[in-house]
Amino acid sequence: DGGITQSPKYLFRKEGQNVTLSCEQNLNHDAMYWYRQDPGQGLRLIYYSQIVNDFQKGDIAEGYSVSREKKESFPLTVTSAQKNPTAFYLCASSPGTFHEAEAFFGQGTRLTVV
Amino acid sequence: GENVEQHPSTLSVQEGDSAVIKCTYSDSASNYFPWYKQELGKGPQLIIDIRSNVGEKKDQRIAVTLNKTAKHFSLHITETQPEDSAVYFCAAPQIQGAQKLVFGQGTRLTINP
Repeated sequence: DGGITQSPKYLFRKEGQNVTLSCEQNLNHDAMYWYRQDPGQGLRLIYYSQIVNDFQKGDIAEGYSVSREKKESFPLTVTSAQKNPTAFYLCASSPGTFHEAEAFFGQGTRLTVV
Repeated sequence: GENVEQHPSTLSVQEGDSAVIKCTYSDSASNYFPWYKQELGKGPQLIIDIRSNVGEKKDQRIAVTLNKTAKHFSLHITETQPEDSAVYFCAAPQIQGAQKLVFGQGTRLTINP
């Protein structure tokens, strides 16, 4: 089955730790995105990548880092510099830019700082 | 950049009635308008979308209308059922500068039996 897979579903982080969220897609999509969702709020863009080996900051990139070494993978690292990392993180992919084609979302990773 | 406003934030309707959610956008160059449904603890799923060359699109009980002049688009759900209860997001692409999808704040729809 084609799709976009995020892991883990739940993640707990101690203060001061870096954690990495996985996002893999087998849809052969060029573009991939990371969004953050806080309770009762919309989705805010963290980082996006339109092609392998290239990525751009979104609206709330501070405290996060990404890599795009393979077309199918776009991992997100939440660093200790992110002051309020507890949130629901969503990865998405699309064949091209958003004004051309629909985006597919993963099932999300819920990160909690303990 | 693109700005998307969505109303209402919460909506409660009786089963079998219709529900309407409205969004406005700011970038007149935007040409693609998707609607997503998000169930609790899951990622958003596309339920319907519309491109700027049409004014309305229907898919069974769901329809979307677009008014490009007024820069607003709406989601219509008829004959609502309990499984329609979820959070719904509209979105519009930002064309200039950083190319990204800008989401509305979401509408929590509750269908009362």
